[in-house]
Amino acid sequence: KNEVEQSPQNLTAQEGEFITINCSYSVGISALHWLQQHPGGGIVSLFMLSSGKKKHGRLIATINIQEKHSSLHITASHPRDSAVYICAARRGTGNQFYFGTGTSLTVIP
Amino acid sequence: EAGVAQSPRYKIIEKRQSVAFWCNPISGHATLYWYQQILGQGPKLLIQFQNNGVVDDSQLPKDRFSAERLKGVDSTLKIQPAKLEDSAVYLCASSPLRSTGELFFGEGSRLTVL
Repeated sequence: KNEVEQSPQNLTAQEGEFITINCSYSVGISALHWLQQHPGGGIVSLFMLSSGKKKHGRLIATINIQEKHSSLHITASHPRDSAVYICAARRGTGNQFYFGTGTSLTVIP
Repeated sequence: EAGVAQSPRYKIIEKRQSVAFWCNPISGHATLYWYQQILGQGPKLLIQFQNNGVVDDSQLPKDRFSAERLKGVDSTLKIQPAKLEDSAVYLCASSPLRSTGELFFGEGSRLTVL
């Protein structure tokens, strides 16, 4: 079993829809990271969370430490949001990261 | 602030040949990671350095892969000899030492083994 599980694996949405990607983890963490990877591109950090909620533009990330669960929400989705979104849990010690397998999002105009 | 630099971006070699990738992390970042990402999968840790020491290389196939981080700054990852299944993107990332430090990735080096 992976230390970090993401769902769904693939997601197709119409432009304008509200999107939610979920991440569950089983290890003790110091922070939870949401990353974005465009085809052929590198990985960009979107959020780093250790508690509560963060918002950046149309993106919102939340984390529930007790339930070991995080969500990434995209409001008013746009085709340029099409990418792979990866959840990564940073262990409490040792600076190690555990990665989910990613959610491939396609937003159709 | 300059990001994580990697080279080359693309490399095509035949099986049994060797290849080397280079990474220069963000200045001041003590921790440097090499990840292997196969198409459709999340990144898999190959090796983690803290300064010039190895923290974790448990998943590095040591019979063919080697990595070093001399002087605790830039790093090289070598594969010799390459196999078909080594075709992947090799990602370098760096992070400050503190537990709430962000993780920064390079653009990656895409390796195709024919």
